[in-house]
Amino acid sequence: EAQVTQNPRYLITVTGKKLTVTCSQNMNHEYMSWYRQDPGLGLRQIYYSMNVEVTDKGDVPEGYKVSRKEKRNFPLILESPSPNQTSLYFCASREQGSEQYFGPGTRLTVT
Amino acid sequence: AQKVTQAQTEISVVEKEDVTLDCVYETRDTTYYLFWYKQPPSGELVFLIRRNSFDEQNEISGRYSWNFQKSTSSFNFTITASQVVDSAVYFCALSEAGYSTLTFGKGTMLLVSP
Repeated sequence: EAQVTQNPRYLITVTGKKLTVTCSQNMNHEYMSWYRQDPGLGLRQIYYSMNVEVTDKGDVPEGYKVSRKEKRNFPLILESPSPNQTSLYFCASREQGSEQYFGPGTRLTVT
Repeated sequence: AQKVTQAQTEISVVEKEDVTLDCVYETRDTTYYLFWYKQPPSGELVFLIRRNSFDEQNEISGRYSWNFQKSTSSFNFTITASQVVDSAVYFCALSEAGYSTLTFGKGTMLLVSP
């Protein structure tokens, strides 16, 4: 089954404690992205990757890191999480010009 | 820079009413793609439609229809005979050709009551 998986689905953590949200896709897509969704703001792109070892900033990259060492994986790293990073996070993948396939979302709470 | 505006924050209708969700976009590219996604209360994002900038033909899929008008930079979505299961947040999105970024509107919450 074609899918994008994210782990964990829910996470509560404390300010400053490094965390990683994993994302994996099994469709051999070149493009992968991370978004955050906040009430009243819609989805905003954090980072995207056009292929292995090629990443670039989206609209709201501050406080986040990503890496793309393998085509299927695109982890999101928060080195020092802060409460304003409490949000719903989506990973997505797609081919050029095609629709995004979204993961199920990760709800992160930073206290 | 690309931009998507969904001016309707929330719409409430009664079942069986028709409802149109508006989407206006801005882009400098002549080649681009437009999308609609549905986010039901369960939270996942469900793809509904993709349209490229060279295809202005309107599309109908069951109770759903889409009206793409380049002259007004709009890509509106109509649900005919709405049902309670249509209650969700609907997002319009834009992707310019040659880029992997996808810009979303802020979404329209549709509430369909019985």
